Amino acid sequence: GDSVTQMEGPVTLSEEAFLTINCTYTATGYPSLFWYVQYPGEGLQLLLKATKADDKGSNKGFEATYRKETTSFHLEKGSVQVSDSAVYFCALSSNAGGTSYGKLTFGQGTILTVHP
Amino acid sequence: KAGVTQTPRYLIKTRGQQVTLSCSPISGHRSVSWYQQTPGQGLQFLFEYFSETQRNKGNFPGRFSGRQFSNSRSEMNVSTLELGDSALYLCASSFGDRLQETQYFGPGTRLLVL
Repeated sequence: GDSVTQMEGPVTLSEEAFLTINCTYTATGYPSLFWYVQYPGEGLQLLLKATKADDKGSNKGFEATYRKETTSFHLEKGSVQVSDSAVYFCALSSNAGGTSYGKLTFGQGTILTVHP
Repeated sequence: KAGVTQTPRYLIKTRGQQVTLSCSPISGHRSVSWYQQTPGQGLQFLFEYFSETQRNKGNFPGRFSGRQFSNSRSEMNVSTLELGDSALYLCASSFGDRLQETQYFGPGTRLLVL
C-alpha cells in the first residue's frame, strides 16, 4: 500500500538557518504530494502541494519539488524564523481509484524548533 | 469564507460510553474526511463521505461510524469507548468532485477517555 517516510526529528535550528526535511514515498500510480503544518493546539494547515513530476510547490518561503525518479518531496526553506516552529507533515493522495477518495496518507511528522 | 469548524473542541468521556463529534465543511465542499491523530500511530484515515454516502473507509473497527447530512455537515460516532480512543479527531473538507483534491482541515476535537 501507499506510505510516506519523513526524516526522524526533532529538528532544532537557530534563526536564519537553512531547513531541509526529507520526505520519500511509495505509491501506485501518480500521487499528488502535500506538506501540511500543525501549530500547537491547532489542526493542519496546507503549506504547499505538487500534483505531477518536476512540479515545485512554494509558499511563505518554503519550497518542495516532486521528484518521481527518487520518489521524494523534500521541504526546504532558506532562512527559518522562530515563528516556523511547528510540526510538519508530508502526505500523499493517490489516484488509484475508489479506495483513494478523500484519503491522505501521512508521514509521521517532524517537529521543528527554531531558537532566536 | 469560513473554514472547517468542529464541535466540541474538547471532550472527556469514560470507558464504555459513546461520543458524537460534528464537522461543518467549507461552504460548497461536499466531501468530508475524518482522521484520528495519536502520538503512537500518527494521522490515520477513518472514512470519507460525499453527498451523504460513504465512499471510502480506513482500517478501524465497526465502533467507529459516521454519517453526512444533506447540507454536507458530518458527524462521527464512537461507541463503547476504549482508553486507546483518546486522540485528536480531525475532519477535512474538499469539493469531492475528483481524486487528489486539496483537503482543508478543521481545528480538531480532542477526546480524552478515562
